[in-house]
Amino acid sequence: QVQLVQSGTAVKKPGSSVRVSCKASGGTFSTSGISWVRRAPGQGLEWMGAIIPILGTAKYAQKLQDRVTITADESTRTAYMELSSLRSEDTAVYYCASAIVGEWDLLNTMDVWGQGTTVSVSS
Amino acid sequence: SSELTQDPAVSVALGQTVRITCQGDSLRSYYASWYQQKPGQAPALVLYGKNNRPSGIPDRFSGSSSGNTASLTITGTQAEDEADYYCNSWDNINNVVIFGGGTKLTVL
Repeated sequence: QVQLVQSGTAVKKPGSSVRVSCKASGGTFSTSGISWVRRAPGQGLEWMGAIIPILGTAKYAQKLQDRVTITADESTRTAYMELSSLRSEDTAVYYCASAIVGEWDLLNTMDVWGQGTTVSVSS
Repeated sequence: SSELTQDPAVSVALGQTVRITCQGDSLRSYYASWYQQKPGQAPALVLYGKNNRPSGIPDRFSGSSSGNTASLTITGTQAEDEADYYCNSWDNINNVVIFGGGTKLTVL
């Protein structure tokens, strides 16, 4: 089974960008679906978007599609999430998660999660 | 827009049965998946598909679905089941994954 390890805590200024990485080991990577999910303090889980590496295409939540970019590097088995124009409301723990089946309409079943990356946005 | 609705909070006595529900139009076409999240931990998949449990999830967790409503049932609830529970599904109108708002389960 795949294991996901994320990059460390990030502290950012409003208006800047952050890139979080998610490195996979074991299992399959290229044919899986990698989603990014965040949880802000006092809020619930929010799906940000996903990529199926072998397809090279990503889908994004409408609310974030102008600010988020998800990419994947098959050679290093690493997925990336970049969020731009950061604001205080983006302060959250960000998770990557791998779906059981790498098909778009089955991406909601995420059986492996990274450990989470705390992103704090403050002036 | 498509959304999934969950009760914000539910409580259950130790050893009793509790049902957590999730409502939304997308559930008429797609199965919900259910996640448990405890403080300071990543979410964990507890149920998916018609009624499938990942390896390691106790059989006291079960699921069902009817119309636009999916349910997660915990039979013989244990203290360690106290957590936030989230449903999600695929939304084929917007081609995105959607999450419910979450249900905080308190075990009394």
